[in-house]
Amino acid sequence: QKEVEQNSGPLSVPEGAIASLNCTYSDRGSQSFFWYRQYSGKSPELIMSIYSNGDKEDGRFTAQLNKASQYVSLLIRDSQPSDSATYLCAVITGNQFYFGTGTSLTVIP
Amino acid sequence: GAVVSQHPSRVICKSGTSVKIECRSLDFQATTMFWYRQFPKQSLMLMATSNEGSKATYEQGVEKDKFLINHASLTLSTLTVTSAHPEDSSFYICSAEAGMNTEAFFGQGTRLTVV
Repeated sequence: QKEVEQNSGPLSVPEGAIASLNCTYSDRGSQSFFWYRQYSGKSPELIMSIYSNGDKEDGRFTAQLNKASQYVSLLIRDSQPSDSATYLCAVITGNQFYFGTGTSLTVIP
Repeated sequence: GAVVSQHPSRVICKSGTSVKIECRSLDFQATTMFWYRQFPKQSLMLMATSNEGSKATYEQGVEKDKFLINHASLTLSTLTVTSAHPEDSSFYICSAEAGMNTEAFFGQGTRLTVV
């Protein structure tokens, strides 16, 4: 079983809609959770970090963490074509970073 | 966020030569740096974890004698691809952890082409 699992997509949403990206992790002891965005041909950039249960909002982005169910999600409100990218979920377990394989998001104008 | 600078961004080298890639944390000290490789349309593959002042920990299947990693200071780690071959052509990315169990920030990546 992989440490971090994501649906590879592709996920397509119309411009202005809410994009919902999900991620599950296998180790209950995982402490820290992150979402990265990677444009084609570029390196990943950090969007959100979340460390405790609940929601964390930053602009159009909301990260949600549910440790009991071992999932973390990212909501993108008012999606824009510029949000089209691959979104990587990352988890720290035992001082080691684990990345999911990423979900490809396309926002259709 | 914190800044990680990776150099060079692009390099073309001849088969059999060695290439050194630098990764610097510009505004923070990074006790741990990570090196990844990414092939087109594939996910990140962790190659090794580098801790300042100690030997790097390589992932299974990564040849430590081919991919030499040096983490000589809290702000600099280098990856040297020795005797490069065309199959080593890839996108190499470093990241640096800003603190224990906190965010990691990525360098811009190095696109290596071996001809």
